[in-house]
Amino acid sequence: GAVVSQHPSWVICKSGTSVKIECRSLDFQATTMFWYRQFPKQSLMLMATSNEGSKATYEQGVEKDKFLINHASLTLSTLTVTSAHPEDSSFYICSALDRTNYGYTFGSGTRLTVV
Amino acid sequence: GENVEQHPSTLSVQEGDSAVIKCTYSDSASNYFPWYKQELGKRPQLIIDIRSNVGEKKDQRIAVTLNKTAKHFSLHITETQPEDSAVYFCAASIRVGSGNTGKLIFGQGTTLQVKP
Repeated sequence: GAVVSQHPSWVICKSGTSVKIECRSLDFQATTMFWYRQFPKQSLMLMATSNEGSKATYEQGVEKDKFLINHASLTLSTLTVTSAHPEDSSFYICSALDRTNYGYTFGSGTRLTVV
Repeated sequence: GENVEQHPSTLSVQEGDSAVIKCTYSDSASNYFPWYKQELGKRPQLIIDIRSNVGEKKDQRIAVTLNKTAKHFSLHITETQPEDSAVYFCAASIRVGSGNTGKLIFGQGTTLQVKP
């Protein structure tokens, strides 16, 4: 079945630094990638939608200059958390839409801790 | 935009009993409704889904019903087992195309506890 590889699975960084999270579709073309953030005991909140070769569309309240999304190829999308602060500590998950079967494939998630 | 409401937030049942989780959605254009099971620190796992041209779908102990008129869909788990204990999320999306991105919006989640 469809697989999305997400890295890193966990990262600890210092406040003020930037962190890049990668999601790669291994056996299908992910023309659309969704990025979610999940705080403990809460739901998955959609942050942004990215389409290959175009600018990402951010949900209301999500700072596009803080959460940089790049979707330069059909198999790779990245989320960079810039100038991270402790309140950015969360579980970040990507989800790729496979338009051939209209299925959503989730990455394994990245646990970000900002200290 | 789409808004998905999920109830209850917690549900405790005895092993062997049935569990029902309900969701409502706001956008009548939504046409795809998956249910996910998520264990702590893991990715959501699709357990069943339904599209808007179907009213009910069943897979062994799990079933989903959809009422498009009421914009309401439900997850039914029969003969619950302790390993069914997890957090369950409903979600809704509009099929990609005609300006729609296909983004998936999640409900708030239900923590199901099945007591042995």
